[in-house]
Amino acid sequence: AQKITQTQPGMFVQEKEAVTLDCTYDTSDPSYGLFWYKQPSSGEMIFLIYQGSYDQQNATEGRYSLNFQKARKSANLVISASQLGDSAMYFCAMREGQGFGNEKLTFGTGTRLTIIP
Amino acid sequence: KAGVTQTPRYLIKTRGQQVTLSCSPISGHRSVSWYQQTPGQGLQFLFEYFSETQRNKGNFPGRFSGRQFSNSRSEMNVSTLELGDSALYLCASSLASVIYGYTFGSGTRLTVV
Repeated sequence: AQKITQTQPGMFVQEKEAVTLDCTYDTSDPSYGLFWYKQPSSGEMIFLIYQGSYDQQNATEGRYSLNFQKARKSANLVISASQLGDSAMYFCAMREGQGFGNEKLTFGTGTRLTIIP
Repeated sequence: KAGVTQTPRYLIKTRGQQVTLSCSPISGHRSVSWYQQTPGQGLQFLFEYFSETQRNKGNFPGRFSGRQFSNSRSEMNVSTLELGDSALYLCASSLASVIYGYTFGSGTRLTVV
């Protein structure tokens, strides 16, 4: 079974609109972390936001927020007021366990977001 | 501060050759991980090093190997290259663990012909 599922291969959004990128995950570990990364055409993976499984509040970082619904195992990324520079691939990723000694991220297949002027 | 530096950025090799990729982590970061990104398989974890020791390894054949030096710089080596090894190889570093995520480099794009 896929551990991270991103069901939207591509999305087109009008500039200045908000956009939600979907991510569902599967784990039996009570301790885990969820990440979103942005990958522009240059290739570099840019960290956007992190949510820990025990965090009570949804994470926010500037225009990015994470809609964390633990019972549904969902961790959707919300980008408010989209900009042309937001056009990129977006990856959801998960770290299972506390982190020490299990140092890896499992990535979803990504969503290609295109912002239309 | 300087980010994660990967060299070279682009590489073309012939089947059967071997290749070495280099990664310099952010100063002070002791954990270095490597990922392979291909259109077919997506992003896959290769291995992770901490204080010169391999701490975790992904499901790749033994042709893929790596090491970390005392200054935390890391290299990965792929021997007997196959066409399917063509990929973007990403290096990532963190202070000690992935608990809050990694900082990635820009990657090395390897093409095997």
